Amino acid sequence: GAVVSQHPSRVICKSGTSVKIECRSLDFQATTMFWYRQFPKKSLMLMATSNEGSKATYEQGVEKDKFLINHASLTLSTLTVTSAHPEDSSFYICSARDTVQETQYFGPGTRLLVL
Amino acid sequence: QKEVEQNSGPLSVPEGAIASLNCTYSDRGSQSFFWYRQYSGKSPELIMSIYSNGDKEDGRFTAQLNKASQYVSLLIRDSQPSDSATYLCAVTRSNTGNQFYFGTGTSLTVIP
Repeated sequence: GAVVSQHPSRVICKSGTSVKIECRSLDFQATTMFWYRQFPKKSLMLMATSNEGSKATYEQGVEKDKFLINHASLTLSTLTVTSAHPEDSSFYICSARDTVQETQYFGPGTRLLVL
Repeated sequence: QKEVEQNSGPLSVPEGAIASLNCTYSDRGSQSFFWYRQYSGKSPELIMSIYSNGDKEDGRFTAQLNKASQYVSLLIRDSQPSDSATYLCAVTRSNTGNQFYFGTGTSLTVIP
């Protein structure tokens, strides 16, 4: 299957700082990438849909000024958690859609802990 | 009504048995169907995709799609303890730009 990478895999930061998470599709081009968050023992929650070259579409309840998404190329999308607070601590997972196979592949996730 | 519904479980089966996971979806316009496996603390990984009515087999896994009844299932034969995970069903609809709709997942435990 296709490979999607995420970096960093784990980050610990102080409250008030910003954290950038990168998501890359390594062997295919992805015009669309998705950002999810998942709390322990809970289901995936879609945060936003990221389209290359255009603004991201955010799900209801997700603050676009807090979770900045940039999809500057067909293989890279970034999520920046601005002014992070402890309640932002979560498992953030990106996925990329392979438009040829119409399949969504997930990155390994980034575990964020805000102190 | 949720787009995709799954029984959250937990579903427990003995090692070597067949595990049957079910998923129903609400929109008849749904076109593509996927099963993902998610181990605790890890991200989901794709197991199977199915697009037309009937069965699709891949090793110990068989996906079954019935569009008339709007359900898709996943059978795991000869279940192994390593199959213990949460299984997510996902569906896409063409009239939403092929947006993926995920179920909440079914937790499976295979008992040695």
